[in-house]
Amino acid sequence: EPEVTQTPSHQVTQMGQEVILRCVPISNHLYFYWYRQILGQKVEFLVSFYNNEISEKSEIFDDQFSVERPDGSNFTLKIRSTKLEDSAMYFCASSGVRPTNEKLFFGSGTQLSVL
Amino acid sequence: AQKITQTQPGMFVQEKEAVTLDCTYDTSDPSYGLFWYKQPSSGEMIFLIYQGSYDQQNATEGRYSLNFQKARKSANLVISASQLGDSAMYFCAMRGDNQGGKLIFGQGTELSVKP
Repeated sequence: EPEVTQTPSHQVTQMGQEVILRCVPISNHLYFYWYRQILGQKVEFLVSFYNNEISEKSEIFDDQFSVERPDGSNFTLKIRSTKLEDSAMYFCASSGVRPTNEKLFFGSGTQLSVL
Repeated sequence: AQKITQTQPGMFVQEKEAVTLDCTYDTSDPSYGLFWYKQPSSGEMIFLIYQGSYDQQNATEGRYSLNFQKARKSANLVISASQLGDSAMYFCAMRGDNQGGKLIFGQGTELSVKP
């Protein structure tokens, strides 16, 4: 089965530093997402991306966050100045043309630890 | 607004027995999809089963079935013949037609299968 690939699997950074989390969605998918999961809590939506622009973002996705699809394959999440509370598992996901009834394919996640 | 509620933080089941994980939802969207994902201790999100709001029959995928009761707004997951490898966190999620494709997750239920 096709996979969403995320790198790195673990990222440790100092508070205030910039981090970029990388994702390679499934090649023929058109809708891309970032979610996060703070340890022990539920998975929270951050942002959705379609047709080279953000289609929706949550309250969590403030000015410190940005997403980009720099080429035809990668989808990145950047956190400009990390805070301790940004420590979480970050999941990238993608889906095909009809998002409502298509499952999201999730990557294995990037565990971000902010010290 | 959309909401997913999983009222069972933890469940135990004996190996080879069936177990039902509860999920209720609330949405104003006329059309929506309901999903269950499994998250083992390794952290990845594994798709299990999908139910469309207009599907006439309950969804089944191998040992997984979804008990969909639209009038009660419930979408319980039934796992038959539990296996030790079923021990994991289980998340119910919903996606509405008018929600841009994002998934809203419940708080999760941690299932432990006893030998």
